Amino acid sequence: ETGVTQTPRHLVMGMTNKKSLKCEQHLGHNAMYWYKQSAKKPLELMFVYSLEERVENNSVPSRFSPECPNSSHLFLHLHTLQPEDSALYLCASSQDQPSRYSPLHFGNGTRLTVT
Amino acid sequence: GEDVEQSLFLSVREGDSSVINCTYTDSSSTYLYWYKQEPGAGLQLLTYIFSNMDMKQDQRLTVLLNKKDKHLSLRIADTQTGDSAIYFCAVSGANNLFFGTGTRLTVIP
Repeated sequence: ETGVTQTPRHLVMGMTNKKSLKCEQHLGHNAMYWYKQSAKKPLELMFVYSLEERVENNSVPSRFSPECPNSSHLFLHLHTLQPEDSALYLCASSQDQPSRYSPLHFGNGTRLTVT
Repeated sequence: GEDVEQSLFLSVREGDSSVINCTYTDSSSTYLYWYKQEPGAGLQLLTYIFSNMDMKQDQRLTVLLNKKDKHLSLRIADTQTGDSAIYFCAVSGANNLFFGTGTRLTVIP
């Protein structure tokens, strides 16, 4: 079982669809993250959860809605997306928040295409 | 937030050394990391350095930190074709890591 598992690996959706991305970590970590990876741009932090509480929300449009029901699971609910939202969405977890030595462990990502 | 900058591309010949550079803006960052991303995969932690160190060596990898200039580098000795990937520099903030754009390393056989 890999440390951080993301499903689905690939997703194609129309602009009017509603879908969800799922992330599960098997590492016993306390913090979970969603990042967006677009070509030639730095990784963009979207949301951070620590002990199931959202601690950071980087001005992400409301068409992205996170949910963290417990410390092992993280969801990203998507609705009425735009073509520019097409990207690789990466989930990560860490033991603690990164101000201490607490590296992030990443899943393999969901490649999202909005048509 | 923190700005982390890297050049986008680097090409080296197999067997040569690769040096990937990174600059950052927040001098209070305590941990600095290097990650590797292979095609179709997430980011894999390669190594890290604590801010009170100036060098760390781990097999073929050497990390150098110049805290005064806020400059971090990753040297890969005897670069192999399997080292072709995107390399990300990341620096710690209070609640998250700040990442650069990644440097795509291409190793020419």
